Amino acid sequence: GENVEQHPSTLSVQEGDSAVIKCTYSDSASNYFPWYKQELGKGPQLIIDIRSNVGEKKDQRIAVTLNKTAKHFSLHITETQPEDSAVYFCAASIGSGSYGGSQGNLIFGKGTKLSVKP
Amino acid sequence: DTGVSQNPRHKITKRGQNVTFRCDPISEHNRLYWYRQTLGQGPEFLTYFQNEAQLEKSRLLSDRFSAERPKGSFSTLEIQRTEQGDSAMYLCASSLRSGPPYEQYFGPGTRLTVT
Repeated sequence: GENVEQHPSTLSVQEGDSAVIKCTYSDSASNYFPWYKQELGKGPQLIIDIRSNVGEKKDQRIAVTLNKTAKHFSLHITETQPEDSAVYFCAASIGSGSYGGSQGNLIFGKGTKLSVKP
Repeated sequence: DTGVSQNPRHKITKRGQNVTFRCDPISEHNRLYWYRQTLGQGPEFLTYFQNEAQLEKSRLLSDRFSAERPKGSFSTLEIQRTEQGDSAMYLCASSLRSGPPYEQYFGPGTRLTVT
């Protein structure tokens, strides 16, 4: 079945530096790749997403890139701030009926704990 | 608050007891998903509804688990004869799209502890 790998599992950066989190997926049928931020005791918050017909998307300090040939996608956070500290999850949506039933249910990576030091 | 809401936020129960959780999706969202998240892991898909129809169930959803969405609005997830391995955060998400892919918005979750 589909598998999403996420690296690194922990990431520590100084305030103002950039942070990059990378994910790979196995099912070429995946066509939707959201990123979620989860703070302690809260549910995941959708921060940005990208669809398979787009290679890059930006929203202020956050950008996501997608390489369909290599089956990997990345989250880039620039000018990091202490409030960016959280666990970040990538996910992939299976679009065509293989693992898990296909109607938009998300397969998540294991998460990256980002710490931004002031 | 117009987001996804879940109740209760925390539930402690003894092994063997039944528990029920409720999820209220964003108004007019026609899709509702249940996920389970254990410590240090990403959410794992359990089941989803389109309106009142339950369209998909994961292999993770044993026969002790049942979910309903009467009238296509709120949903309930019941776990019968709870086991310690059921301890987890149970997350609900909702989405509204006319076609795939679907942007899913999550609620705050219900943390279940089975003693």
